[in-house]
Amino acid sequence: EIQMTQSPSSLSASVGDRVTITCRASQSIGTYLNWYQQKPGKAPNLLIYTTSTLQSGVPLRFSGSGSGTDFTLTISSLQPEDFATYYCQQSYNTPRTFGQGTKLEIK
Amino acid sequence: QVQLVQSGAEEKKPGASVKVSCKASGYTFTTYGLSWVRQAPGQGLEWMGWISAYTGDTVYAQNFQGRLTLTRDTSTSTAYMELRSLRSDDTGVYYCIREGGSGGYYFFAYWGQGTLVTVSS
Repeated sequence: EIQMTQSPSSLSASVGDRVTITCRASQSIGTYLNWYQQKPGKAPNLLIYTTSTLQSGVPLRFSGSGSGTDFTLTISSLQPEDFATYYCQQSYNTPRTFGQGTKLEIK
Repeated sequence: QVQLVQSGAEEKKPGASVKVSCKASGYTFTTYGLSWVRQAPGQGLEWMGWISAYTGDTVYAQNFQGRLTLTRDTSTSTAYMELRSLRSDDTGVYYCIREGGSGGYYFFAYWGQGTLVTVSS
């Protein structure tokens, strides 16, 4: 089973800040990496798939990069609606596995 | 538009079984696989298994082997998740998810609203 480790687990930031979340896989997964955003009481929402492709409707301030074992999600200028929990997920093989989540809070 | 509508909240006693339904609309049901993911209260996301809506083939996470059965009914475009021998730590929200992607590059494109399953004596 591929372990996915996100850092940090939580992060305080202000509106307008640039934020980066890191996801590391326990083995190489190529670019089989997806990112989701989850707000309290809601189902997760796909943000980015295949490492760097933005899902339709996702603002351009979100971007993803990486390959192999190390990946990043960057929000270039935080907006109030971006405060949420973010998860990475590998689709290289089964079982599909998620990172533990990064909770992004308002400073 | 793609929609996945899940059945309502369930309360079960330890040792019982639960069966959650997921009715799909807005696309050809047999074209995409469906996964199920669980989220315990205040915790992260745990993948449970996958079913091909076309063939009915299944893949289960080891943690759920022997207790989990995924099925689908193509005539009603509905998928089902049955979990048996429930324990208190099975309490959580269960999501059905339709895949997106192709050529081996898959992602969880569309999520149901979630079904809360509470296991308590």
